[in-house]
Amino acid sequence: DAKTTQPPSMDCAEGRAANLPCNHSTISGNEYVYWYRQIHSQGPQYIIHGLKNNETNEMASLIITEDRKSSTLILPHATLRDTAVYYCIVRVVGDDKIIFGKGTRLHILP
Amino acid sequence: KAGVTQTPRYLIKTRGQQVTLSCSPISGHRSVSWYQQTPGQGLQFLFEYFSETQRNKGNFPGRFSGRQFSNSRSEMNVSTLELGDSALYLCASSPGDRGETQYFGPGTRLLVL
Repeated sequence: DAKTTQPPSMDCAEGRAANLPCNHSTISGNEYVYWYRQIHSQGPQYIIHGLKNNETNEMASLIITEDRKSSTLILPHATLRDTAVYYCIVRVVGDDKIIFGKGTRLHILP
Repeated sequence: KAGVTQTPRYLIKTRGQQVTLSCSPISGHRSVSWYQQTPGQGLQFLFEYFSETQRNKGNFPGRFSGRQFSNSRSEMNVSTLELGDSALYLCASSPGDRGETQYFGPGTRLLVL
């Protein structure tokens, strides 16, 4: 079973920051937080991952709380192309299997 | 670098037939994982291959099998197809060390009639 809890859907206005929450209260010290997104009928696209520090790349920022029990993915300036299902995944270091939950369906509103 | 490629992209089969799907990983990647995605069960892990050996396996019946070639390309086979095997089959590759980031291909959409 997935070890994360995400809201089933969210709306965000185009041009605004999209903040997608994820709860992973049972996370262990050797588990990373990964984010992927899946645009309709395409393969999941890797976004970002982190262990305990906040991370930023060209796509997004990942904010992990100090106790590591939750995190937030931030898309700084959402566009219509960011409409997708976003998956938050907890993954053991060294484990090749990804267990996907149901994700959050993000709707970007024009 | 070219991404993960999967062939064919779409496939229609009938019950009882068998099917083979192909995946070419990103150049230099040695690990290939397979996933099945259905509306009811979501994305589920099938198996993972590294250096031509199955390194990890999900909870699927023996009708689902795979292999990896020396050039890291991988195939998965489903025998005696059932209606419930209709799904998007996704392949992901990673450099090879355990737990590295996986990059997904576009998938093969299989419809079983």
